[in-house]
Amino acid sequence: KAGVTQTPRYLIKTRGQQVTLSCSPISGHRSVSWYQQTPGQGLQFLFEYFSETQRNKGNFPGRFSGRQFSNSRSEMNVSTLELGDSALYLCASSLTYLSPLHFGNGTRLTVT
Amino acid sequence: KNEVEQSPQNLTAQEGEFITINCSYSVGISALHWLQQHPGGGIVSLFMLSSGKKKHGRLIATINIQEKHSSLHITASHPRDSAVYICAALSEYGNKLVFGAGTILRVKS
Repeated sequence: KAGVTQTPRYLIKTRGQQVTLSCSPISGHRSVSWYQQTPGQGLQFLFEYFSETQRNKGNFPGRFSGRQFSNSRSEMNVSTLELGDSALYLCASSLTYLSPLHFGNGTRLTVT
Repeated sequence: KNEVEQSPQNLTAQEGEFITINCSYSVGISALHWLQQHPGGGIVSLFMLSSGKKKHGRLIATINIQEKHSSLHITASHPRDSAVYICAALSEYGNKLVFGAGTILRVKS
């Protein structure tokens, strides 16, 4: 069974630009969640989607948004990039929110 | 004070030693996850538990809901166990994970 796939693996963007990251969950998993990891703040929850509905959102500005498609694939978007958005962005999928998480390898975003 | 506290922050052990990593949380939870992250970023879920104890190979995780405390034990530690171990509490008020800062474990041969 294929694991969680995140694309792209690496991205370099300039301040003010926007970026879209993609996450394909394990087949059959309907819950997809996104996380930001930085050396200073560690891992932080961004949002969680289940069956195309955002069920919870972390404490991030509105520049961070996401969506989930009918095939459970998910995208997250960051608009008006800031230097502080440089981070490893991870997504995870699970059958339900009370099931074990399966993480992708992440997208490393560098904002210059 | 963080909602999820881990200790110790850093841990160095000799191969074969018994290792314990602790996690205390102040929020109400539906479950608690233990995660392992190797250099390069990949995260693996080790355990998800809401009560009692779980065991997988040399790894054991326990949780005491009343005391809001969980422990991860590694028996007969090995250099390949060197990684960052992270506990994460799944809030009972939504599908939101709150993470500890992680414990950096180094096992020397």
